Amino acid sequence: AQTVTQSQPEMSVQEAETVTLSCTYDTSENNYYLFWYKQPPSRQMILVIRQEAYKQQNATENRFSVNFQKAAKSFSLKISDSQLGDTAMYFCAFRDNFNKFYFGSGTKLNVKP
Amino acid sequence: ETGVTQSPTHLIKTRGQQVTLRCSSQSGHNTVSWYQQALGQGPQFIFQYYREEENGRGNFPPRFSGLQFPNYSSELNVNALELDDSALYLCACCPGTGGTYEQYFGPGTRLTVT
Repeated sequence: AQTVTQSQPEMSVQEAETVTLSCTYDTSENNYYLFWYKQPPSRQMILVIRQEAYKQQNATENRFSVNFQKAAKSFSLKISDSQLGDTAMYFCAFRDNFNKFYFGSGTKLNVKP
Repeated sequence: ETGVTQSPTHLIKTRGQQVTLRCSSQSGHNTVSWYQQALGQGPQFIFQYYREEENGRGNFPPRFSGLQFPNYSSELNVNALELDDSALYLCACCPGTGGTYEQYFGPGTRLTVT
């Protein structure tokens, strides 16, 4: 069975600074997809970034980038130039070959002015 | 906006009652998944429907059931409600076009069981 672990329940960062959120996962599959989702207090889950396991290049979306280490089964999210609107719960998610998603327990990110 | 809508927004039920939650997507995609998100936790997969048939189920008892309709809207039904069923229920659809494979979530229904 697939598991996703986020070991940082809560993190804080100053506005304009950079922060990295950690995620590890366990799977026996070789081809899969990884995602980071953001859930603001309004609770709508929003896709931040995606990574295909067969791609060696780390995904980047504007201020958001990932460090994908397939052998280590690690998938961290880096947020550069943090903004107040980045304050939210962040969930790491794994998609298996049956389109089933597994989520970590989340990291609450507070961006301070 | 993800184009996925859910109703109702909030719901309060009594233990032992039954509840039906609804989901629809603008694109009318043929795959929909339901998740339960307890307070302070990540979403847990309940089940998935593909072309009106259940196509995968998580570790939830049979009193959690679903339907998907020809227009690809969906329902989640929970019978014999228990206090632990209190949670945010999320619907997700639309494995992405172009092979991107992400899911898009609705805003959720907050269910409180008293």
